[in-house]
Formats: sequence, structure tokens, C-alpha cells
Amino acid sequence: DTGVSQDPRHKITKRGQNVTFRCDPISEHNRLYWYRQTLGQGPEFLTYFQNEAQLEKSRLLSDRFSAERPKGSFSTLEIQRTEQGDSAMYLCASSLTGQGLNQPQHFGDGTRLSIL
Amino acid sequence: AQKVTQAQTEISVVEKEDVTLDCVYETRDTTYYLFWYKQPPSGELVFLIRRNSFDEQNEISGRYSWNFQKSTSSFNFTITASQVVDSAVYFCALISAGAQKLVFGQGTRLTINP
Repeated sequence: DTGVSQDPRHKITKRGQNVTFRCDPISEHNRLYWYRQTLGQGPEFLTYFQNEAQLEKSRLLSDRFSAERPKGSFSTLEIQRTEQGDSAMYLCASSLTGQGLNQPQHFGDGTRLSIL
Repeated sequence: AQKVTQAQTEISVVEKEDVTLDCVYETRDTTYYLFWYKQPPSGELVFLIRRNSFDEQNEISGRYSWNFQKSTSSFNFTITASQVVDSAVYFCALISAGAQKLVFGQGTRLTINP
């Protein structure tokens, strides 16, 4: 079984640059989630997709953040004009509907973003 | 609003000791789910258990056991005969039925010393 895959594992960039992360969910999973985790904290929800539709966005997701899932498979999360406060681990998760409510979300290894 | 509190920031024990990680939650919903995840140093969150609000039966899986008590809004996790490989950060999380947003606690860093 292939789990959730995220790329890159680490990203170091200068403040003001744009960055894009990719997430490949478990192949049969139709729901995909993005979370952000800062040091010493639990993950915080950013947004989620059901197939290609983005159905919920957190207030944490400022205008500089955009997420897409164009064909209902992989997803990208882009941060424009990065700021120091964007430094965090960005986690992607996926789950499957149709087998009862709230099936477990399975997480990838995350992308660690460091802003210089 | 929903909230998960893991009051123990760090726990350190010697191998083979039993250890309990506490989780207290707040929600106004009557139907919800509780989860425990393990995050080893590699960063991946590993799903351990899901429990719905109507099932207060305790569960045991090998050295792991979970105690769910609605009366005290707690969902505690016990590791018996701890091993060094159990060292990780453990997160308790809550989600309302039909919702998509997992609400996590701040995590408990567990260190098992040889």
C-alpha cells in the first residue's frame, strides 16, 4: 500500500519568494486535507477537498495561500510572498468517504518550510 | 467551540514502565469521534485509534489501551511495558460527526529511556 506522499520534504527559501508543495493522497481516497504544524503545537486545519472541489477553508488560510486539486487526485499548496511566520511543517492527509462517517485521516511525512 | 487539552507537555520514563497520556476534550456536539496519533521524529502522523462518542468500551491493542469516559470528557492512552521505540509525540484529536476538521491537542512528547 502506498501512503500519502508529499514533496519536497524540506524547503528553504528567502522571505518574499513563492513556494509550492505537492501532495499525492492514497489512490482511492477522495478527500484530501492540508494542515499546518508549528513547533511544539498540534496540527491546525487549513483546507480540504472532496474530489476536485475545495469545500472548506480555515481563516488561517490568508490570501497569500492557494490550494488546488485539479483532477481530484494530487493537490498543490502555494504560498506567495512568503513571510517569516509561514515557517512550519505543512501536512497533507487523505481519507475515504462511503464507509461511515469520519474515516481516519492518513497523513504524509509533511513538508518542512523554513523562511530565511 | 471544540478544544482538546493534553496537559502533559513532556513525559520521560524508563523502559518497561507503564505510562498514561491524558486527553481532555470539549465539544457541544453529541456525536463526535476521538483519535490518537503518534508522530515519530520522521514527522509522519501515524493513526492509532478512532473512537465514536457512543462507544465507551475501553480498547486494548497489544501494549496499548485506551480509556474513554464521557462523564469526565477524557480519552486517555496507556502504554504498558514501554519500549524505546514508543518514544514520539502523541496527539489526541477530536472531530464532529460529518465534519472534516480534526482539532488536535498540543501533544505530549514521550521519551522512553533505556
